[in-house]
Amino acid sequence: DIVMTQSPDSLAVSLGERATINCKSSQSVLYNSNNKNYLAWYQQKAGQPPNLLIYWASTRESGVPDRFSGSGSGTDFTLTISSLQAEDVAVYYCQQYYSPPHTFGQGTKLEIK
Amino acid sequence: EVHLVESGGALVQPGGSLRLSCTASGFTFSNYSMNWVRQAPGKGLEWVSYISSSSSSIYYADSVKGRFTISRDNAQNSLYLQMNSLRAEDTAVYYCARSQYYYNAWGQGTLVTVSS
Repeated sequence: DIVMTQSPDSLAVSLGERATINCKSSQSVLYNSNNKNYLAWYQQKAGQPPNLLIYWASTRESGVPDRFSGSGSGTDFTLTISSLQAEDVAVYYCQQYYSPPHTFGQGTKLEIK
Repeated sequence: EVHLVESGGALVQPGGSLRLSCTASGFTFSNYSMNWVRQAPGKGLEWVSYISSSSSSIYYADSVKGRFTISRDNAQNSLYLQMNSLRAEDTAVYYCARSQYYYNAWGQGTLVTVSS
């Protein structure tokens, strides 16, 4: 199974500042035949189901604000929020869908400083 | 608008069984793979099971293999999870999620509590 490890576990950032969350997979999730990274990012606000933010490691889902961006390839990935807004308080998860089981990272709790 | 509605969650004793359902609307259900993902109270997301659009491919997490069975009825736009030999550690909110690779639609979840 592919193990997904996020860092940090929690993060406090001031409003308007940049937030960066990292995700590392135990093996590459880059499919060489199509050069796509099978990596997604989700946001989960309190009491709500997860919501897809980013897929293929860097493609923003429709309706997601452009302050959210994803980067990385192979085994190392980053979710960046360029200017933190109050509504971004949530837990963020990465997930690989390269091979089943489609494992999630342990989550990163993002708060306002 | 895409809607996924889970049902069937309940309080059940250890060793008992439960069947969860997920009813889909707003999209062509038969075109999508479907999944169950659970979240224990205060914990992170745990992938449980996957079924392809035609039911030809099915996968389970090791933690539920041999106890849970995923199935679907494309004519009824419904996804199911039959859960047997339930344990306390199966206590969680169970979400169904649509996927075409990534998971781009989720239900609100249904709570399963396993306790005596």
